[in-house]
Amino acid sequence: IAGITQAPTSQILAAGRRMTLRCTQDMRHNAMYWYRQDLGLGLRLIHYSNTAGTTGKGEVPDGYSVSRANTDDFPLTLASAVPSQTSVYFCASSPGQGLGNEQFFGPGTRLTVL
Amino acid sequence: QKEVEQDPGPLSVPEGAIVSLNCTYSNSAFQYFMWYRQYSRKGPELLMYTYSSGNKEDGRFTAQVDKSSKYISLFIRDSQPSDSATYLCAPTRRSGGYQKVTFGIGTKLQVIP
Repeated sequence: IAGITQAPTSQILAAGRRMTLRCTQDMRHNAMYWYRQDLGLGLRLIHYSNTAGTTGKGEVPDGYSVSRANTDDFPLTLASAVPSQTSVYFCASSPGQGLGNEQFFGPGTRLTVL
Repeated sequence: QKEVEQDPGPLSVPEGAIVSLNCTYSNSAFQYFMWYRQYSRKGPELLMYTYSSGNKEDGRFTAQVDKSSKYISLFIRDSQPSDSATYLCAPTRRSGGYQKVTFGIGTKLQVIP
């Protein structure tokens, strides 16, 4: 059982390019999340999905979009990358969206936008 | 003011020491209080969590919450080099339609053999 996989592991991207970060979980969890982690700012929620077919905005959604066509996959798209989107991106999932549900994190994608 | 304040460290201790990691928070709506551990270049993993004020013990780890003073602590007894990691406090509350986890910036711990 892999848990959560993310791809790519790392990427250097030119500003203005479009990029999709992939996230797949095999735990049949209903809820999924995308975070970015920046030094001094910690983990901040970008978008979330409580169940397949639904998505919602987190704290820092601008410049990002997500989709949830099925239970397992939750891709994050940067339509036109900017240098301020340089960060480490973590995908996470939890069995449900209720309080106390543990979030399981993927290994992360290190993205550099030049 | 940030909702969750956590000293980033780094904190360096000798093997076998008792470690105290702390956070303060400002939002009374937080109901669950989690601690995540993150090894270098890895994703965070849940260490333990508490729901109410008081202590919860799990092996060498004790989580403590004081809701009256909005203070969260994690104690590590008999610290080991394998405990070297960044520890993130993560109080949680409902926000609209989802479980909102507010992560502290993390305290980096190094346990020296």
